[in-house]
Amino acid sequence: DVKVTQSSRYLVKRTGEKVFLECVQDMDHENMFWYRQDPGLGLRLIYFSYDVKMKEKGDIPEGYSVSREKKERFSLILESASTNQTSMYLCASLTGPSNQPQHFGDGTRLSIL
Amino acid sequence: QKEVEQDPGPLSVPEGAIVSLNCTYSNSAFQYFMWYRQYSRKGPELLMYTYSSGNKEDGRFTAQVDKSSKYISLFIRDSQPSDSATYLCAMRSYQAGTALIFGKGTTLSVSS
Repeated sequence: DVKVTQSSRYLVKRTGEKVFLECVQDMDHENMFWYRQDPGLGLRLIYFSYDVKMKEKGDIPEGYSVSREKKERFSLILESASTNQTSMYLCASLTGPSNQPQHFGDGTRLSIL
Repeated sequence: QKEVEQDPGPLSVPEGAIVSLNCTYSNSAFQYFMWYRQYSRKGPELLMYTYSSGNKEDGRFTAQVDKSSKYISLFIRDSQPSDSATYLCAMRSYQAGTALIFGKGTTLSVSS
């Protein structure tokens, strides 16, 4: 079974802080994704990566950056956290062939005060 | 028109009922269709995955794709309280690579 692990289930930070969300997958997947999920808006893609050190912007990259130094780890960085970044953050991964589905972690519920 | 439309519900049914969940889409290039189930405070878990048109059955779950109508469905037979969750449809075209387009999810409640 694919295992996607997000380092924190719940996180509370203050406005202006730099926040790191970590995601690790154990299946040697090339592709990794960061989404945020908000009531009424569904899942929105922030960034994705198709290889080490490679990244692509998704639909809502503003205020975020990412890092992929190792294949198994994909980090989401909130450069200067703001209250409108309070959300559920979900990481997903999938193996190379694009006919495979994505597998998700359990999410990090982030509150910015 | 949004790419993927899904009625958010909530949908409430008694235990044992047949449930029908649906999504419509506008992009005729979509070829891969998925249903995810998401329990409260958990990440989405893959339930069904189909390619192109047709039906796929797995236990009490049946996924149906009608590409001519741009319409996909998930049927749940003999629904159980443990089926209470949010169901997300997702789809992708081959040309778009690995990026998924999600519906907003339908919340289902099955009462015993």
